[in-house]
Amino acid sequence: KAGVTQTPRYLIKTRGQQVTLSCSPISGHRSVSWYQQTPGQGLQFLFEYFSETQRNKGNFPGRFSGRQFSNSRSEMNVSTLELGDSALYLCASSIPRQDYTEAFFGQGTRLTVV
Amino acid sequence: AQSVTQLGSHVSVSEGALVLLRCNYSSSVPPYLFWYVQYPNQGLQLLLKYTTGATLVKGINGFEAEFKKSETSFHLTKPSAHMSDAAEYFCAVSEGSSNTGKLIFGQGTTLQVKP
Repeated sequence: KAGVTQTPRYLIKTRGQQVTLSCSPISGHRSVSWYQQTPGQGLQFLFEYFSETQRNKGNFPGRFSGRQFSNSRSEMNVSTLELGDSALYLCASSIPRQDYTEAFFGQGTRLTVV
Repeated sequence: AQSVTQLGSHVSVSEGALVLLRCNYSSSVPPYLFWYVQYPNQGLQLLLKYTTGATLVKGINGFEAEFKKSETSFHLTKPSAHMSDAAEYFCAVSEGSSNTGKLIFGQGTTLQVKP
């Protein structure tokens, strides 16, 4: 069974530009979550999509947005990039168990803003 | 609100020595706890999880963790470190619901294994 696929693996963008990252979840998983990982702040939750609807949202500015398609693939967009947006962006797809949700992570997209 | 604290951002052990990575959590509801490992330039791989039942859980690569409710801890151990265990380890807690995939992570502990 294929794992979570994130594309691209690496990106270099200029401050002020926008960027779109893609995540294909494990087949059958309907929930996709996004996390930002930086050395200073660690792993921070951005948002979660389930059945094309945003179900949870972290504490990030409106420049960070996402969406989910009917095939469960998800994209996140960051507009007006800032140097501080440089990070590893991780996507996780989840499958609900009886009382909890188990998350499986992709390899991430390394975004560098210059 | 839930939170996770990992004591020690860096832990160094000799090959063959005991590995102990500490994690304490705060949760107002019964927690579901996870340990993930991250190798350089990779995503997170699930090592083990505590959901319900047995408080001592075994994971992959010889790791295990014990859930201690009275101490609000979920420390990760491995009897004998291997060079390939060098990585960053994250403890995480979820709300314990099948209706959210959100995880709260600790700050991570980098494990160094010396030959």
